[in-house]
Amino acid sequence: LAKTTQPISMDSYEGQEVNITCSHNNIATNDYITWYQQFPSQGPRFIIQGYKTKVTNEVASLFIPADRKSSTLSLPRVSLSDTAVYYCLEGGNTGKLIFGQGTTLQVKP
Amino acid sequence: DTGVSQNPRHKITKRGQNVTFRCDPISEHNRLYWYRQTLGQGPEFLTYFQNEAQLEKSRLLSDRFSAERPKGSFSTLEIQRTEQGDSAMYLCASSPLWDSSRGETQYFGPGTRLLVL
Repeated sequence: LAKTTQPISMDSYEGQEVNITCSHNNIATNDYITWYQQFPSQGPRFIIQGYKTKVTNEVASLFIPADRKSSTLSLPRVSLSDTAVYYCLEGGNTGKLIFGQGTTLQVKP
Repeated sequence: DTGVSQNPRHKITKRGQNVTFRCDPISEHNRLYWYRQTLGQGPEFLTYFQNEAQLEKSRLLSDRFSAERPKGSFSTLEIQRTEQGDSAMYLCASSPLWDSSRGETQYFGPGTRLLVL
């Protein structure tokens, strides 16, 4: 059973910023928050990970408030190729990742 | 290419046959994981290894499923007496040993898509 809650789907247009929010109501103290991206017929791909505050890399930003009960993945200026399923996960040293259904992002021209 | 590789990429078999999948992790990674993914769902954890040791198995891994990682490098996942319900994408992932400073990051292979007729 997934530990996180996120919207099932979102639509956007090319060039827009997309923010996907995930709920982490029972996150453990040692857990990090990680986001993965998955295209059809491919394995999930790591996007970004954080513990608290803001993390930015070359593809996305991750915002985590002080209470760590939520996280927001921000994709700047999306393109058609960003159409994919996005998963938020929380985890520590348990070995396994527990995926939910993810958020299907559809980017339209 | 130094990523996780899986073979074969596709497998079609008849019900009742045995199948075996192989996963080659990123070379310096100690941990190796198997997941199963059905259409429209996120990946579901099956089992994982730390070096040669199989540390956890999901209840999804019935006695028809067996996984090995004999030398702590590549791994195989075998399904005996396949059933139509076994049709899915089987994903392998690897990661370095967990480090409290950076959390758990797993790197996935492209998967093996199994179709049981």
